[in-house]
Amino acid sequence: DAKTTQPNSMESNEEEPVHLPCNHSTISGTDYIHWYRQLPSQGPEYVIHGLTSNVNNRMASLAIAEDRKSSTLILHRATLRDAAVYYCILRAQGGSEKLVFGKGTKLTVNP
Amino acid sequence: ETGVTQSPTHLIKTRGQQVTLRCSSQSGHNTVSWYQQALGQGPQFIFQYYREEENGRGNFPPRFSGLQFPNYSSELNVNALELDDSALYLCASSHRVTYGYTFGSGTRLTVV
Repeated sequence: DAKTTQPNSMESNEEEPVHLPCNHSTISGTDYIHWYRQLPSQGPEYVIHGLTSNVNNRMASLAIAEDRKSSTLILHRATLRDAAVYYCILRAQGGSEKLVFGKGTKLTVNP
Repeated sequence: ETGVTQSPTHLIKTRGQQVTLRCSSQSGHNTVSWYQQALGQGPQFIFQYYREEENGRGNFPPRFSGLQFPNYSSELNVNALELDDSALYLCASSHRVTYGYTFGSGTRLTVV
């Protein structure tokens, strides 16, 4: 399973943008980059995924480096409800359906 | 509303006992996976079922077993409970053609 590296923790202020980095230098050409987040006392929640191009949805944006060895999850205006552990996961197209979670990045949002 | 419901939410069992955890997936989600999450760690894949057949297994012993039913519900059974089995157990479902999984809120199992 391809591996990702994320900072253990990050801190942000409410209503400011947050950029959560993820390194995946061993990514293969068919790996999709997925992001999930886990709020306290809840199961993980799907946030966004992409392959090569940048992606936007109602929750966040995903910026993928041109060489695909890193990506950044962008929360445009952090709220207190965005405080969670964010996981960056590589998922092979047509491969195993399982998700391989690391320890993720714990995001703290200050009021 | 997550669409995936797990029961019970909390459970305390004694070492050596057996436990059954239940999950009700979203209608149409024919793939269900179970994960174990120890405190402070990311979830670890136990196994997955697709159309009632096991379709992949993580590094867990045979005393962890499962079932998936035609009504999109599933079970995780753990025999001969050990203290290290204390964890949050998560169920996740998806439709085969989509990319995102929907997780339940989990069952917190404590083995004493």
